[in-house]
Amino acid sequence: DIQMSQSPSSLSASVGDRVTITCRASQGISNHLAWYQQRPGRVPKLLIYAASTLQSGVPFRFSGRGSGTDFTLTISGLQPEDVATYYCQSYNSAPEFTFGPGTKVEIK
Amino acid sequence: EVQLVQSGGGLVKPGGSLRLSCATSAPTFSSFSMNWVRQAPGQGLEWVSSISSSGAYTFYADSVKGRFTISRENANNSLYLQMNSLRAEDTAVYYCARSRGPFDYWGQGTLVTVSS
Repeated sequence: DIQMSQSPSSLSASVGDRVTITCRASQGISNHLAWYQQRPGRVPKLLIYAASTLQSGVPFRFSGRGSGTDFTLTISGLQPEDVATYYCQSYNSAPEFTFGPGTKVEIK
Repeated sequence: EVQLVQSGGGLVKPGGSLRLSCATSAPTFSSFSMNWVRQAPGQGLEWVSSISSSGAYTFYADSVKGRFTISRENANNSLYLQMNSLRAEDTAVYYCARSRGPFDYWGQGTLVTVSS
């Protein structure tokens, strides 16, 4: 089974900062990696799929990179509305899926 | 915009059963695999189960295998999760989600509480 890890588990940054979250897969998953944003009390929202493709309507300050086992999500210019928990997900073994444990992003 | 509307959920005693539903008006429902994902209070996301577009193939996380059954009625654009032998650790918000690889549309979530 594929295991997903994320770092850090939480972070605090200032408005306008560049924030990077790392996701690592226990084995190679090509680019079959998605990122989700879950604001407090809200439904998860797809941000990025295929490791680097922005979902329609997602602000361009979000970007993703990586392939194989190591991936990153970057927010270029943190905004107050970006306060959320971010999850990576492998869909390499679809129709079985694995989520990372999440990274909580707060404003300093 | 695809909308997934969930119903069901609530409070049930350990060992009891519950059925969740997820409905959509989207005409493309029968073209996509569907999933259930859950989130225990204060915890992360856990994939629970998937069903192929035709309903012929189903898949389950080890934590629910043998207790939960996923099904769908394409004629009614509906997805279901039958949950039996419920345990306290099944307490969570349950989401239905459409997959085309990643999960691009999600239901609003429904809370299932297993407690005596």
